[in-house]
Amino acid sequence: KQEVTQIPAALSVPEGENLVLNCSFTDSAIYNLQWFRQDPGKGLTSLLLIQSSQREQTSGRLNASLDKSSGRSTLYIAASQPGDSATYLCAPPPTDSWGKLQFGAGTQVVVTP
Amino acid sequence: NAGVTQTPKFQVLKTGQSMTLQCAQDMNHEYMSWYRQDPGMGLRLIHYSVGAGITDQGEVPNGYNVSRSTTEDFPLRLLSAAPSQTSVYFCASSSLAGGYTGELFFGEGSRLTVL
Repeated sequence: KQEVTQIPAALSVPEGENLVLNCSFTDSAIYNLQWFRQDPGKGLTSLLLIQSSQREQTSGRLNASLDKSSGRSTLYIAASQPGDSATYLCAPPPTDSWGKLQFGAGTQVVVTP
Repeated sequence: NAGVTQTPKFQVLKTGQSMTLQCAQDMNHEYMSWYRQDPGMGLRLIHYSVGAGITDQGEVPNGYNVSRSTTEDFPLRLLSAAPSQTSVYFCASSSLAGGYTGELFFGEGSRLTVL
């Protein structure tokens, strides 16, 4: 079973600071890794999908890196805004149990004006 | 663009009652799944399907049934509701590219309370 750990569990920063969210996983034989955002009372929204052959993926102020050999992914959010306040989750499905996606517990982010 | 639609959004049941949570997607996705999300427990997979007529159990399948008669629909049935099934339920779907799941799309969730 894939074990996924997200550090820190919670993060509070003033507006404008850069955010660094970490995701580590035990089974490095993954075929992709996805980062999600969840707002309170809402479903999950996909932010970035990194294929196993890629080392990073970028979308606007978001950049995610993937190091399969060490079982780690990092999500960077540049110049944070109050609208970035949410919980961020990662999901790295292993190739031998790809249907059973495991999620990390998430990092709860608060960006203060 | 409907995406993944879940109904109902809220439901209150009494212990022992049965009900069905509906999930429909309009993206022709082969893969569909149900999760429950509880405080301190994160998202846990209940059941998933990789196509019509094909389902498999996830991490917490007891007390739940699923079937997949069409590509679009993946209902989750609670056979005899228990207070431990009070939770928020999410349906998700994805295409299968290269034999694996791609980008996962989630519904807005169904909040279930069992008294």
